[in-house]
Amino acid sequence: DGGITQSPKYLFRKEGQNVTLSCEQNLNHDAMYWYRQDPGQGLRLIYYSQIVNDFQKGDIAEGYSVSREKKESFPLTVTSAQKNPTAFYLCASSAIERGDYNEQFFGPGTRLTVL
Amino acid sequence: GQNIDQPTEMTATEGAIVQINCTYQTSGFNGLFWYQQHAGEAPTFLSYNVLDGLEEKGRFSSFLSRSKGYSYLLLKELQMKDSASYLCAVMDSNYQLIWGAGTKLIIKP
Repeated sequence: DGGITQSPKYLFRKEGQNVTLSCEQNLNHDAMYWYRQDPGQGLRLIYYSQIVNDFQKGDIAEGYSVSREKKESFPLTVTSAQKNPTAFYLCASSAIERGDYNEQFFGPGTRLTVL
Repeated sequence: GQNIDQPTEMTATEGAIVQINCTYQTSGFNGLFWYQQHAGEAPTFLSYNVLDGLEEKGRFSSFLSRSKGYSYLLLKELQMKDSASYLCAVMDSNYQLIWGAGTKLIIKP
C-alpha cells in the first residue's frame, strides 16, 4: 500500500556527528518536504523539493543538507553545524496540481536525540 | 511577518462539542488546512477550506472567514480517541504551508 516511510523511528547520536534521516515515498508525488517539530511550536520547514535534482531552503535550513537524486527519496543530513539538533523530524510529500489543494502526507517521523 | 494563532490547550467532555479557533496573518492566502496529530505520531489531514463558509465531514466541520483571517474546527460527539493536537496551517502566496503551534485537546470521561 502507498505511503511514506521514515527510518529509523528513534535515533541517538553523539554531539559532533553527522546523521542522515531517510524518507521514501511511493505515492508518485513530485514534492517532498522536511519539517522539524519542537514542543510548543508549529512545524518549521527545513528544505523542500519539487523536482528531482532540485531543492530549496526553508525557514531553518542552517546546519542541514538534503539531496533528491530520485523522485521517491529525499534524505536529510543533520550536520554537526546544527546547534540544537534534538527534535522530532517529519518528512512529507504532496502532488503539485494546479486547481487542487494538494494536501501533504506525512511519514511517521524520526525522533533524533543528540547526547 | 506571518503568524498563525491557536489556543495552546483545551479540555472537553466525552460526547460534547468543542470549537478550536485559528486566526492568521499571512502574505497571501491559498487555503487553510486542519490536521490531527496524536502524540508521537504523524499529522493526518482533516479538512481544507479556501472559500468562506462551512465544510462538514462527519463529526468534524471547518469554517473559514477570509475577511477576518479566521477559521475554526468544530468537533461533535467527542470520543476519547479525539484526544490529540489539532494543527492549523495556511498556504501562503508561494504555496508554502505556514503552521500554527497546534491546540492540544484533552477529552475527559
